[in-house]
Amino acid sequence: RKEVEQDPGPFNVPEGATVAFNCTYSNSASQSFFWYRQDCRKEPKLLMSVYSSGNEDGRFTAQLNRASQYISLLIRDSKLSDSATYLCVVMIAGKSTFGDGTTLTVKP
Amino acid sequence: DTGVSQNPRHKITKRGQNVTFRCDPISEHNRLYWYRQTLGQGPEFLTYFQNEAQLEKSRLLSDRFSAERPKGSFSTLEIQRTEQGDSAMYLCASSLGARGGGDTQYFGPGTRLTVL
Repeated sequence: RKEVEQDPGPFNVPEGATVAFNCTYSNSASQSFFWYRQDCRKEPKLLMSVYSSGNEDGRFTAQLNRASQYISLLIRDSKLSDSATYLCVVMIAGKSTFGDGTTLTVKP
Repeated sequence: DTGVSQNPRHKITKRGQNVTFRCDPISEHNRLYWYRQTLGQGPEFLTYFQNEAQLEKSRLLSDRFSAERPKGSFSTLEIQRTEQGDSAMYLCASSLGARGGGDTQYFGPGTRLTVL
């Protein structure tokens, strides 16, 4: 079993749709959690950190459930520019473990 | 541009040759990370430095791989006796090394290695 698991997708949604991604992690000692976005053949870029209380940044909402060891990302009102691979990241004491990503394609 | 830079951007080599990559982090960042990424996979952790100290190295990393950060600034990653399985994108990232989590990493554009 991988330390961090994501549904690879692909998720194909129309513009304006709401889409949710989940990510599970196996190490209960994990300390920090992030969502990164990666465009094709580009480097990953931070989308948002994930806090225990949940956090929102515009159309994006991230949630953390420590008891069940998963994090989620909700994207509302999808835009064409949201098409990318979304990587879940879990960190313990400086070591980061990435999921393999979930691919999203938003279509007109 | 004060972001993370990596050189070279592309490297083609023959099997058995040694290669070295360089990463220049964001200047005030204490931590520097190396990852390897292949198609369809997320970045795979290789090693990281806190200033000049190498604090962790992946068990997946063979003895052919070595990384240094001699003055706590730029870092080099060397692969000796390259194999075709080493073909991948090698990513470097840096961060402030915040305590208590929330340590945001900023990635460089990567070095794409092709081993023939």
